[in-house]
Amino acid sequence: GAVVSQHPSRVICKSGTSVKIECRSLDFQATTMFWYRQFPKQSLMLMATSNEGSKATYEQGVEKDKFLINHASLTLSTLTVTSAHPEDSSFYICSARDPGSNQPQHFGDGTRLSIL
Amino acid sequence: GNSVTQMEGPVTLSEEAFLTINCTYTATGYPSLFWYVQYPGEGLQLLLKATKADDKGSNKGFEATYRKETTSFHLEKGSVQVSDSAVYFCALSLNAGGTSYGKLTFGQGTILTVHP
Repeated sequence: GAVVSQHPSRVICKSGTSVKIECRSLDFQATTMFWYRQFPKQSLMLMATSNEGSKATYEQGVEKDKFLINHASLTLSTLTVTSAHPEDSSFYICSARDPGSNQPQHFGDGTRLSIL
Repeated sequence: GNSVTQMEGPVTLSEEAFLTINCTYTATGYPSLFWYVQYPGEGLQLLLKATKADDKGSNKGFEATYRKETTSFHLEKGSVQVSDSAVYFCALSLNAGGTSYGKLTFGQGTILTVHP
């Protein structure tokens, strides 16, 4: 089946640093990828939709300059949290759409980001 | 707009008990409906789906029936196991054209804990 790999699975860093999270589709080409944020014991909040070769579409209330998304190839999208602060600590999940699949999206295992 | 409402948790059951997690939705069109499961520290996995009224999705002993008249998609399992302990999300997606799915809209999630 379609596999989405997300890396790193966990990252801890100091306030003010930038953190990059990678999302890769391993066995299919993903023209569209999605980035979600999940707070403890809450649902997934869609942050942005990433289309290969074009700018990401951000959901209302999500800061574009804070959360930089790059979808440079059909198998890779990256989310960079710039100048991260403790309030950015969260669980970030990516997903990818496989046009040949009967599922709407395939999910990565998430990245636990902790900003000290 | 589109929305999904799930029964509030957490739900705590003994092994072999019967499980029901209620889910209702509102949608501007004719959605496909899904149940996803999230194990601790992981991303989401598709548990089952239904794409039209009266369809029953089933997997691993879980099942849910698409009820258009009550706009519901309740998740049931006759006999839960400790390994079923996880967070369960109900979701919908509107058809984006052809066989392509649109964005996923998630419910708030229901935490299930099963004790031996």
